[in-house]
Amino acid sequence: QKEVEQDPGPLSVPEGAIVSLNCTYSNSAFQYFMWYRQYSRKGPELLMYTYSSGNKEDGRFTAQVDKSSKYISLFIRDSQPSDSATYLCAMSARVTGRRALTFGSGTRLQVQP
Amino acid sequence: EPEVTQTPSHQVTQMGQEVILRCVPISNHLYFYWYRQILGQKVEFLVSFYNNEISEKSEIFDDQFSVERPDGSNFTLKIRSTKLEDSAMYFCASIGRASGGVDEQFFGPGTRLTVL
Repeated sequence: QKEVEQDPGPLSVPEGAIVSLNCTYSNSAFQYFMWYRQYSRKGPELLMYTYSSGNKEDGRFTAQVDKSSKYISLFIRDSQPSDSATYLCAMSARVTGRRALTFGSGTRLQVQP
Repeated sequence: EPEVTQTPSHQVTQMGQEVILRCVPISNHLYFYWYRQILGQKVEFLVSFYNNEISEKSEIFDDQFSVERPDGSNFTLKIRSTKLEDSAMYFCASIGRASGGVDEQFFGPGTRLTVL
């Protein structure tokens, strides 16, 4: 079983739709959960992070963690064409960003105008 | 806004040749990382570097790889004898403080390495 599993998509939605992106993980040691956005030919860019179960909201983005199910989600409300990118979940075994990150394979999102 | 920079953006080399990938982390950052992403696959951790020594490395980071911070600004990844399977995008990252006081790894744009 892979440490972090993520549906690669592609996921195509109309502008204004709510998008749900998900990752599951197997390593109980993971404590720090992040979502990165990666545009074509660019490096990953941090969108959100959290280190506790529950929801965390930032504008149109909501990160959700369920440690009991080893499941994390990113919701994007009112999706825009500029949200079209690959979304990577990433995790670390310590509540700090200093440890190596373990990434999911990324979900490619296309928001149609 | 400060950013991590990497050179070259694309490197083509022959199998068996040595390559050096260069990174300039954000100034005043102290932790540095290399990751790679083979086309169509996930981003994989290679190595982290702090206080002029390797602090963590993955199984991928074997004796063919080395890292160095030769001066106060550059951070380099050397692959001694490249193999076809080393073809990938290589990302450098450095640690800074995200909002809320948590460390964030800032990634550079990557160097695409093609081994022929």
